[in-house]
Amino acid sequence: QVQLQESGPGLVKPSQTLSLTCTVSGGSISSGAYYWSWIRQPAGKGLEWIGRIYISGYTNYNPFLKSRVTISVDTSKNQFSLKLNSVTAADTAVYYCTRGGSSGLEGMDVWGQGTTVTVSS
Amino acid sequence: DIQMTQSPSSLSASVGDRVTITCRASQRISNYLNWYQHKPGNAPNLLIYAASSLQSGVPSRFSGSGSGTDFTLTISSLQPEDFATYYCQQSYGAPLSFGGGTKVEIK
Repeated sequence: QVQLQESGPGLVKPSQTLSLTCTVSGGSISSGAYYWSWIRQPAGKGLEWIGRIYISGYTNYNPFLKSRVTISVDTSKNQFSLKLNSVTAADTAVYYCTRGGSSGLEGMDVWGQGTTVTVSS
Repeated sequence: DIQMTQSPSSLSASVGDRVTITCRASQRISNYLNWYQHKPGNAPNLLIYAASSLQSGVPSRFSGSGSGTDFTLTISSLQPEDFATYYCQQSYGAPLSFGGGTKVEIK
């Protein structure tokens, strides 16, 4: 059974870079049947899709973050990562990594437990 | 970009009630529509994919319907463990997007 686990600093200073890693266990990240995605939820708000990466390296990002976000994959470590530049307090949220079916019809069926990131000096 | 609008934003219901949540897409998305349940402190859980397919392990009291722009999630008989926030999400095209959520509370 595939499991995802987010890791990274829980506190980031304003204007710095938020970096998170998602480790995939119980399966290979190299399967072409899936994409790997990041989603966040600010406190008291709904779910926001940040972006996704396919094993080919192809990425999609949400336009509201596009200029600041990079998602990458490291197949040797079975991990994918999120980098968000120039963070502000508005980037404070619970961040989730997920797996989605590459056909688009399967939904996001595996989620990490989520990690809280606070942006504060 | 595709906007997803859910209604209502919250509802109060009793155990055993039939509950219906609606989701509308700003353009036609065929059946590229998924539903998630989210409880505080937990990760969201996929309930329904492709508008009407029940995810493995999800109780049969959950069902989904719709195509095009209008979709529905129905809980046939609300159970205590179903009190949560429910989100629809379109996977028709990037950027993927979620509805604003429907919080189901105990009456």
